Amino acid sequence: GEDVEQSLFLSVREGDSSVINCTYTDSSSTYLYWYKQEPGAGLQLLTYIFSNMDMKQDQRLTVLLNKKDKHLSLRIADTQTGDSAIYFCAESRYTGGFKTIFGAGTRLFVKA
Amino acid sequence: NAGVTQTPKFQVLKTGQSMTLQCAQDMNHEYMSWYRQDPGMGLRLIHYSVGAGITDQGEVPNGYNVSRSTTEDFPLRLLSAAPSQTSVYFCASRSRDRVHEQFFGPGTRLTVL
Repeated sequence: GEDVEQSLFLSVREGDSSVINCTYTDSSSTYLYWYKQEPGAGLQLLTYIFSNMDMKQDQRLTVLLNKKDKHLSLRIADTQTGDSAIYFCAESRYTGGFKTIFGAGTRLFVKA
Repeated sequence: NAGVTQTPKFQVLKTGQSMTLQCAQDMNHEYMSWYRQDPGMGLRLIHYSVGAGITDQGEVPNGYNVSRSTTEDFPLRLLSAAPSQTSVYFCASRSRDRVHEQFFGPGTRLTVL
């Protein structure tokens, strides 16, 4: 079956690193994504990684992909209060059309 | 560019009423989708379109209709609203050439009493 799972909550102190984890079940996934949702807003694409990569870095964001374990993580360095949001993991594959499966989201609380 | 726009932002309906949620994008994207977001769950795909005149069902299509008469617009119709359709609805679009970059609208919060 198709499933993307992530923990529901994470709390960190300002300035620390945050690591949000995600597992997925479909080994044919082509792209894996991290989206950010701020209160009252739509989802914003933060970063994505192709399934043939194992790491991608973009400023304070580091994405690690372990294909063998079907595990994806998002590390936010020097976490700020403005990073408080819900982070969604998602995976896509092409099956005649492009289908995206989302996790339930991890709510990140950043304490000052 | 306005990106993906949705109207209304909020709506309250009574059971059995019908309404249309509007979605428009000005990026000339071929692909458009409607999702619903419920507490504790990821976004679930309702319907999608790969171009004008072409629509298909997603994961949870029952109770909803869509049409795509133009590239820009992709309205979602609730035929006879039910309390189970209380949710936040997101419209999204992406280009056929960059399918991994999906742009979301700000959402419509719908309550069915």
